[in-house]
Amino acid sequence: AQKVTQAQTEISVVEKEDVTLDCVYETRDTTYYLFWYKQPPSGELVFLIRRNSFDEQNEISGRYSWNFQKSTSSFNFTITASQVVDSAVYFCALSGGSGYSTLTFGKGTMLLVSP
Amino acid sequence: DAGVIQSPRHEVTEMGQEVTLRCKPISGHDYLFWYRQTMMRGLELLIYFNNNVPIDDSGMPEDRFSAKMPNASFSTLKIQPSEPRDSAVYFCASCAFSYNEQFFGPGTRLTVL
Repeated sequence: AQKVTQAQTEISVVEKEDVTLDCVYETRDTTYYLFWYKQPPSGELVFLIRRNSFDEQNEISGRYSWNFQKSTSSFNFTITASQVVDSAVYFCALSGGSGYSTLTFGKGTMLLVSP
Repeated sequence: DAGVIQSPRHEVTEMGQEVTLRCKPISGHDYLFWYRQTMMRGLELLIYFNNNVPIDDSGMPEDRFSAKMPNASFSTLKIQPSEPRDSAVYFCASCAFSYNEQFFGPGTRLTVL
C-alpha cells in the first residue's frame, strides 16, 4: 500500500521568510512518481511538479525548489522569500509505477504567509 | 487550450434529490478521474476512466453514486438519492498518459440540505 505523510498541518510565516514543507512517502514500487499541488483559497488544484523515482536531482523553479531523497523517502518543497500569494494548502502526492495512474495524496499543509 | 471544465460550480439541493455533476476533460487526455474533497477525509479518488472505460470504482462510496463517460469529451457523476453527508467539493481531473500529472477542474461545491 502507498502512503504519503505531510506531518505539518499548518505553517505560519512572515513574508520574505523561507519555508520548507515536508513530505514523506511509502511505497513498495521501484518505479514511482511524486507530485506537488497547490490549492489556493479559490479552491482549484494547481500542478507544480512531477518527479520520477530515478531522478534524484533537486529542482529549482524561481522561488520554488524541491529536494528528493530516496534514502529517507522524502520529497520536500521549499519556498524562498515567501510572499502573501503563496498562502495556500500544498499537497504532496505519489503515483505507483505499475498499472494505471492513480494518485495517493497527503493530507496537505496549510501555509499562511502574513505581510 | 481550455482546461478541465466542470459544471455546475455550485449546487445546493435537498436530501433525496438526484444530483448530476458534469466534466469535460482536456482534449486528447485519455484518463479521467473523479475526486471528492472534505475536511474530514481530504482528497479521495472515487473512480477513474481510461479511454472512456471505468477502470477502478472502488472509491465510490455506495450504490447511490454512479459515473459514466459516454465519450472522450464528457463524463458525469450522479448521486441518487443525495444525503447531507455527500456535501463536499467534487473535482474532475484528466491526464494524457499514465503517470503524467493530472490537471484538475475548478470543482463543484455540493451542499445537500
